[in-house]
Amino acid sequence: SQWGEENLQALSIQEGEDVTMNCSYKTYTTVVHWYRQDSGRGPALIILIRSNEREKRSGRLRATLDTSSQSSSLSITAAQCEDTAVYFCATDRGYKVVFGSGTRLLVSP
Amino acid sequence: EAAVTQSPRSKVAVTGGKVTLSCHQTNNHDYMYWYRQDTGHGLRLIHYSYVADSTEKGDIPDGYKASRPSQENFSLILELASLSQTAVYFCASSGTGDSDYTFGSGTRLLVI
Repeated sequence: SQWGEENLQALSIQEGEDVTMNCSYKTYTTVVHWYRQDSGRGPALIILIRSNEREKRSGRLRATLDTSSQSSSLSITAAQCEDTAVYFCATDRGYKVVFGSGTRLLVSP
Repeated sequence: EAAVTQSPRSKVAVTGGKVTLSCHQTNNHDYMYWYRQDTGHGLRLIHYSYVADSTEKGDIPDGYKASRPSQENFSLILELASLSQTAVYFCASSGTGDSDYTFGSGTRLLVI
């Protein structure tokens, strides 16, 4: 498996809190994708970080990539109810994207 | 607006029957993919294609065939549907840029 964990993880937080989701990968990659999947929808790319970018920001999102430990993280600052979704990390393998198992985030008011 | 459209949105199939899932993209992308997602898990690659009339095996191709008759269309075929193929299937397309990946809304398949 590309990833260390196979089952969907779950996180539950209150609105306004910060949250960080972590991923580790086994094979070399130069880019990590982070996707968001809303219920009944396909995944949508929300942030992409390359190996020469240790950190990438987009609005309230912050992604990090540590190629030495083969790990990446996605942080959401001041989470809102509309951030409730499943978040996946994925790596590039040529023109194929390999997905991790994901984190189900529930943000409650 | 560029998009990936899948049909049908949901389907119930009988064990041993033939199922065809269709995907159409208007992104002018060369690459198209079929993934399956099981409840509580991530997406796994079944087949992909980088040019019309050619398909490649992904990570879990057994029990599935694919067809790419044109740049815009990519089908997934289950010749003999089995219970274990109950899942949600996603089609995606991508261009040469690594941020071009676009997914359809999925087809929910139930095999009974």
